[in-house]
Amino acid sequence: AQSVTQLDSQVPVFEEAPVELRCNYSSSVSVYLFWYVQYPNQGLQLLLKYLSGSTLVKGINGFEAEFNKSQTSFHLRKPSVHISDTAEYFCAVRENRDDKIIFGKGTRLHILP
Amino acid sequence: EAGVTQFPSHSVIEKGQTVTLRCDPISGHDNLYWYRRVMGKEIKFLLHFVKESKQDESGMPNNRFLAERTGGTYSTLKVQPAELEDSGVYFCASSQDSGAGTKNIQYFGAGTRLSVL
Repeated sequence: AQSVTQLDSQVPVFEEAPVELRCNYSSSVSVYLFWYVQYPNQGLQLLLKYLSGSTLVKGINGFEAEFNKSQTSFHLRKPSVHISDTAEYFCAVRENRDDKIIFGKGTRLHILP
Repeated sequence: EAGVTQFPSHSVIEKGQTVTLRCDPISGHDNLYWYRRVMGKEIKFLLHFVKESKQDESGMPNNRFLAERTGGTYSTLKVQPAELEDSGVYFCASSQDSGAGTKNIQYFGAGTRLSVL
């Protein structure tokens, strides 16, 4: 069965420092991969997606993620974080034969001044 | 263009009462999904509508939950009677297409926070 693992429940980072949020998945078939973000008191917003093609995908707000099929990973990165990046980030996967999305438990990103 | 909208944003009810959540998908999206996040857990799939038909309801927890989408537009999710473990955030999402393909991108609403006391 497919699953998504976000090892870090919380990540504190100083402002303007780089950040990487880790995500690993398991699936026996081809998948589509997503990162969603939930800012405080807001809904889930699609940050970026990997559907096919280049394994490095760029999203909104300067975030990017790299799909690594051999390591079944889809880590999210940003070279320099801002206080406005404070949010909870969810890695998610959808198998290409299915419609439902499987989410990780989420990672809370805390930006320190 | 309006996104996915959900009502109410927050609902507080007592155990045993009934609550109805509503979701309005993005205009033109035939596919509508319900998900739920119980505190401390992952966001989990509940069910999927294609127009007015239930395509997949494998995630519905029990028969106290009833989802409808009459006319294939907005959807309601009724919990009757509500139990303490039903507390959580209920998300609705919609997509233009379903199945394999790049148009099955799900866009989420802000969620309804349900508190059962």
